[in-house]
Amino acid sequence: EVQLLESGGGLVQPGGSLRLSCAASGFTFSSYAMSWVRQAPGKGLEWVSVISGSGGSTHYADSVKGRFTISRDDSKNTMYLQMNSLRAEDTAVYYCAKNSGSNCYSHFDYWGQGTLVTVSS
Amino acid sequence: DIVLTQSPDSLAVSLGERATFNCKSSQSVLYSSNNKNYLAWYQQKPRQPPKLLIYWASTRESGVPDRFSGSGSGTDFTLTISSLQAEDVAVYFCQQYFSIPFTFGPGTKVNIK
Repeated sequence: EVQLLESGGGLVQPGGSLRLSCAASGFTFSSYAMSWVRQAPGKGLEWVSVISGSGGSTHYADSVKGRFTISRDDSKNTMYLQMNSLRAEDTAVYYCAKNSGSNCYSHFDYWGQGTLVTVSS
Repeated sequence: DIVLTQSPDSLAVSLGERATFNCKSSQSVLYSSNNKNYLAWYQQKPRQPPKLLIYWASTRESGVPDRFSGSGSGTDFTLTISSLQAEDVAVYFCQQYFSIPFTFGPGTKVNIK
């Protein structure tokens, strides 16, 4: 059974940093691209970032480019999102999602339960 | 960026009746090399993460009831629930994975009439 477990969310002041983790199990982690998608309270879904199965390709939404960094450690079956220079508008539930293939251009077939990030003073 | 619009914003349907909603893309998401539409549909129930229903515009994900079906190509897509059940109350989002940034539609909220 595929399981994705996010952690690392919490309350942070504007300008601060957080690192989210997504621990994966139930599939061959290194064979799949992985993504982060966020959802602000009461709002729709916004794709944030994707990393290919090899880790050699990463992409970001313009809203987070230069501030967020996606990475993966296949030895730990874990994906990360390093978030710096956080803003109030980054407040959201952050979902980890498994892509359906190793290529970034694939749909999301499994989602974690999400972790809440709140940026506020 | 590809913009996805969904209609209607919300929909109330009687149990057992058909529910149909639409997703329109600002650009074609049909990749000519493989003739696949890079369009997925997700269902999100309150306080839950999204769940994949349909990918490649019309392929039903394993385990998804066959009352859910997707159709369309290029820029115009439809999700149909052939016989609405109480457990189908949710928001339905379309998403394109044709080009980065990947984008989602704003969602259609489905309720019971």
